[in-house]
Amino acid sequence: NAGVTQTPKFQVLKTGQSMTLQCAQDMNHEYMSWYRQDPGMGLRLIHYSVGAGITDQGEVPNGYNVSRSTTEDFPLRLLSAAPSQTSVYFCASSYSGAGSYEQYFGPGTRLTVT
Amino acid sequence: GENVEQHPSTLSVQEGDSAVIKCTYSDSASNYFPWYKQELGKRPQLIIDIRSNVGEKKDQRIAVTLNKTAKHFSLHITETQPEDSAVYFCAATPTGTASKLTFGTGTRLQVTL
Repeated sequence: NAGVTQTPKFQVLKTGQSMTLQCAQDMNHEYMSWYRQDPGMGLRLIHYSVGAGITDQGEVPNGYNVSRSTTEDFPLRLLSAAPSQTSVYFCASSYSGAGSYEQYFGPGTRLTVT
Repeated sequence: GENVEQHPSTLSVQEGDSAVIKCTYSDSASNYFPWYKQELGKRPQLIIDIRSNVGEKKDQRIAVTLNKTAKHFSLHITETQPEDSAVYFCAATPTGTASKLTFGTGTRLQVTL
């Protein structure tokens, strides 16, 4: 199993550009989430999904869109990049059944917006 | 929503000493409290977790304690080793929403020889 994979590893965007961060998991997890990590601020939840076709906003959703058309994939779209979106982005997945709540994180995408 | 505070932000201990990191949470509905370790440039990885029906859990040199009345939980690392040096994050969530963890701001632990 590859676990949780993310592409790209690094990305530089200009202000106003759009892009999609890809996330995929092969563990058949129902739950998937996107977090951003900024120095001194821990990880903050952007959007999450409890299953295909179901998404909801987290703590910092502005400027980001998500969709969940399959169990495996959960892409994060930046609509019009801003310097404030410079961050490291982590995708995570977890099993929805009782007894196991561990979130498995992907390797991260380091995004710089100039 | 949930708010998690974590202290200290940095912690330096000598090899072999113990380290304690403390977190408080605000939402009384939270009942799942994981701890993640993140090495430089790597992804966070779960090291231990506790649910609200227990007060303490141990795994070798690592232990977590939970006080639901006071809404705080702590990570204890005994006999620290240089490979314990990393950033540690606490988090909290109601188990019905395991996909939406609220994290603390992290503790950078440095274990010196």
